[in-house]
Amino acid sequence: GAVVSQHPSWVICKSGTSVKIECRSLDFQATTMFWYRQFPKQSLMLMATSNEGSKATYEQGVEKDKFLINHASLTLSTLTVTSAHPEDSSFYICSARDLRASGEHNEQFFGPGTRLTVL
Amino acid sequence: DAKTTQPTSMDCAEGRAANLPCNHSTISGNEYVYWYRQIHSQGPQYIIHGLKNNETNEMASLIITEDRKSSTLILPHATLRDTAVYYCIVRVVYGQNFVFGPGTRLSVLP
Repeated sequence: GAVVSQHPSWVICKSGTSVKIECRSLDFQATTMFWYRQFPKQSLMLMATSNEGSKATYEQGVEKDKFLINHASLTLSTLTVTSAHPEDSSFYICSARDLRASGEHNEQFFGPGTRLTVL
Repeated sequence: DAKTTQPTSMDCAEGRAANLPCNHSTISGNEYVYWYRQIHSQGPQYIIHGLKNNETNEMASLIITEDRKSSTLILPHATLRDTAVYYCIVRVVYGQNFVFGPGTRLSVLP
């Protein structure tokens, strides 16, 4: 099946610093990628939808100036958490939609997640 | 909001079949039933999806009722590695994001 990678898999940073998380589709092209956030013992919550070559669409309550998303190519989207604070500590997961998928096949694949800890 | 309801948790003995139910009484005609699972500290893993016919793959079987208002995911021979949170999601194919509910926490016991 299609593979989505994330880098780094975990990161620890000091409060006030910025952290960049990469999401890559390894063997397919993705015009659309999604970013989710998951707090401990909770379910995944969509943060934003990233479309290649255009501005991301953010969900209500997600600050676009704090969570910068760039989708510059069909295989890479990045999420930058700017001026991170302890409350931003979470598990960040991306998913990518396979451009080629057709018919009844599953077309969206999830990355392994990135655990961010802000001290 | 998630359009499905699932039990909060379930236990299953190792080697036995695990049957995970899901209610989706407001499902639309063009919405599929998807199942994902999430093992601790990992990303969601696709299991199976279907529209109205029962489906089977190497991981599981999906049984959808005739009225499509509920479904059951069956893991035929559960192993300890199947311990995870299982999410049932309804969604149109090529729809936008997946909306995750709280899921069912399945514990496979030795």
